[in-house]
Amino acid sequence: GAGVSQSPSNKVTEKGKDVELRCDPISGHTALYWYRQSLGQGLEFLIYFQGNSAPDKSGLPSDRFSAERTGGSVSTLTIQRTQQEDSAVYLCASSYNTGVNQPQHFGDGTRLSIL
Amino acid sequence: DQQVKQNSPSLSVQEGRISILNCDYTNSMFDYFLWYKKYPAEGPTFLISISSIKDKNEDGRFTVFLNKSAKHLSLHIVPSQPGDSAVYFCAASDEYKLSFGAGTTVTVRA
Repeated sequence: GAGVSQSPSNKVTEKGKDVELRCDPISGHTALYWYRQSLGQGLEFLIYFQGNSAPDKSGLPSDRFSAERTGGSVSTLTIQRTQQEDSAVYLCASSYNTGVNQPQHFGDGTRLSIL
Repeated sequence: DQQVKQNSPSLSVQEGRISILNCDYTNSMFDYFLWYKKYPAEGPTFLISISSIKDKNEDGRFTVFLNKSAKHLSLHIVPSQPGDSAVYFCAASDEYKLSFGAGTTVTVRA
C-alpha cells in the first residue's frame, strides 16, 4: 500500500501479557516514529528511528517498552507485562528524512485495551 | 509541560464561510510547524506545513500563517466544506519529534 500500515488495528489482552505492535512505513522513508494517545490526552512521542538506529528513546514510559526496526523498514513495538495504564492508541509515522519540510505521515493506529 | 496549545476545543462554522484555527507555542527552538486533520478511528492526515523562515504558506483552500514574534500560528480554511468537519491538530518540531496541541473539533454546518 501507499501509506503507513499498522497491525493489528485492535488488540485486547489481559493484564500481565506481552503484546507486539507492528508498523510498516511508506516505502523509501528512512525515519520512523512511534507515538501514543491515551484517553483524553494528546499525542505523546515514544521513540524515533533513523534507519535501524534509535537515537531517541526518551519517550518510552518504562523499561517494559521496547522497539526495534530491521532492514530499515518494518518496526515492532513490544510491551511486556502489560498494565491497564498502557491502554491507548499507538500510532506509527514515517517521513522521507528528518528536519524541516519532512512531514510525518501516520498510520491508523493500534487500539490497545488491557483488561 | 504543554509546549503547543490549542485553546479552542471546538469551532462551528457555516458552509462556505472561513474557518480560523489558532495555535500557540512556547519553545523558541521549534523550526517547523504542521497541521493535521483527524477523523474518528483514523490516524492524523497531514494537511499543510510551514518552516520558521516563512510567514505564510498556501495550498488550495488551506493557508497557514506564522507569527514567530508572538509564537502563534493559524490555519485558515476558505471556503469551509462539510467534509472539513474533523479534529484539527497543530504540531511543532525541533528536528524530528513532533509536539502536538490538544486539537480543535471543527463542525461545518450546512
